[in-house]
Amino acid sequence: SQQGEEDPQALSIQEGENATMNCSYKTSINNLQWYRQNSGRGLVHLILIRSNEREKHSGRLRVTLDTSKKSSSLLITASRAADTASYFCATDASNFGNEKLTFGTGTRLTIIP
Amino acid sequence: SAVISQKPSRDICQRGTSLTIQCQVDSQVTMMFWYRQQPGQSLTLIATANQGSEATYESGFVIDKFPISRPNLTFSTLTVSNMSPEDSSIYLCSVVRLTQYFGPGTRLTVL
Repeated sequence: SQQGEEDPQALSIQEGENATMNCSYKTSINNLQWYRQNSGRGLVHLILIRSNEREKHSGRLRVTLDTSKKSSSLLITASRAADTASYFCATDASNFGNEKLTFGTGTRLTIIP
Repeated sequence: SAVISQKPSRDICQRGTSLTIQCQVDSQVTMMFWYRQQPGQSLTLIATANQGSEATYESGFVIDKFPISRPNLTFSTLTVSNMSPEDSSIYLCSVVRLTQYFGPGTRLTVL
């Protein structure tokens, strides 16, 4: 079964506001990654957080990981119209790390200009 | 980073036919992955393709339906065989280089 579940499934906010997406998973992981997908095309890697990390920043992105709750959140600050996309979390539970990924259900984010 | 190209970018096929999707990477990689994304859904791993050995298929996917080739360290193909409308999906290949990089995808529609 699919490991990750994300909520909300869809999110619409005004440009400039912050967007928060959550991801839950079921088993132990090596790392958790967030991806963006525009218009059903290829995925773009956003950020990776390892199982021993609790928070990571990259530009306007902030990711948290709570392994005790098996959950992660992605915060996009000061949203822009170009942030409109689907966002997926993906977990890596492989033996050597960075191999097979299990994807969450995704959040469709719409930024209203 | 990794630059990945896929061919074709999209296709419309008739039921019962087969389509081979190509994936080309700009440098050598050990493992290549093939994913399927059904309409409105998330990505599901089909198989892992290693050069010089049989591909490893995930539960629910079989070699007869999705044969994979991996002739060298920069190239792989995925064939969708005996297609039905349920095979309409985006098919993506990916490689690992510190993180996973994905190709642009092949959008397949089966009539």
